[in-house]
Amino acid sequence: NAGVTQTPKFQVLKTGQSMTLQCAQDMNHEYMSWYRQDPGMGLRLIHYSVGAGITDQGEVPNGYNVSRSTTEDFPLRLLSAAPSQTSVYFCASREGLGGYTFGSGTRLTVV
Amino acid sequence: GEDVEQSLFLSVREGDSSVINCTYTDSSSTYLYWYKQEPGAGLQLLTYIFSNMDMKQDQRLTVLLNKKDKHLSLRIADTQTGDSAIYFCAETFTGGGNKLTFGTGTQLKVEL
Repeated sequence: NAGVTQTPKFQVLKTGQSMTLQCAQDMNHEYMSWYRQDPGMGLRLIHYSVGAGITDQGEVPNGYNVSRSTTEDFPLRLLSAAPSQTSVYFCASREGLGGYTFGSGTRLTVV
Repeated sequence: GEDVEQSLFLSVREGDSSVINCTYTDSSSTYLYWYKQEPGAGLQLLTYIFSNMDMKQDQRLTVLLNKKDKHLSLRIADTQTGDSAIYFCAETFTGGGNKLTFGTGTQLKVEL
């Protein structure tokens, strides 16, 4: 049981490049979400999904797209990377009540 | 909207108790959480409390919730160097679905 798996762990992009951050969970959780973590700002919600085929925007959605074609996977896409998107990205999932399970994070630098 | 606030730093001596505080503004909180983040790592769920509870104890951890003052605290007894990390409080709230709102995090430094 791997929990929530994020890939890659590290990535450097040039401004304007695109990429997809992968997130997969094997716990059959319906709810999945993406957060970004910046110094002194805690974690801010980018997008979330309450089940396959359903996604919605969080607090800071601009510049990011998501899709949820399966229960297991919830990729985050950056269509045209900007330096302001330099951050650490976390994926999390939850089933019902109780705590959220987080992935180990992707550290993204945009130069 | 929802707002969760924490002090940024806390320094304690090994063996002492640590108390990390958190205040929140949303009176419709449902669950309140404490997460631990070690350097370069993800977030580890330490404990959580339902909003109709006042206290929850789990080994060295004690969570106190004062709903009137919208104040949440995490006490770590017999603090060890391995407890050095950033601690985040977070909440879910009625009408927010599964959305988790985080505080800014408190960096705990344990000194010998």
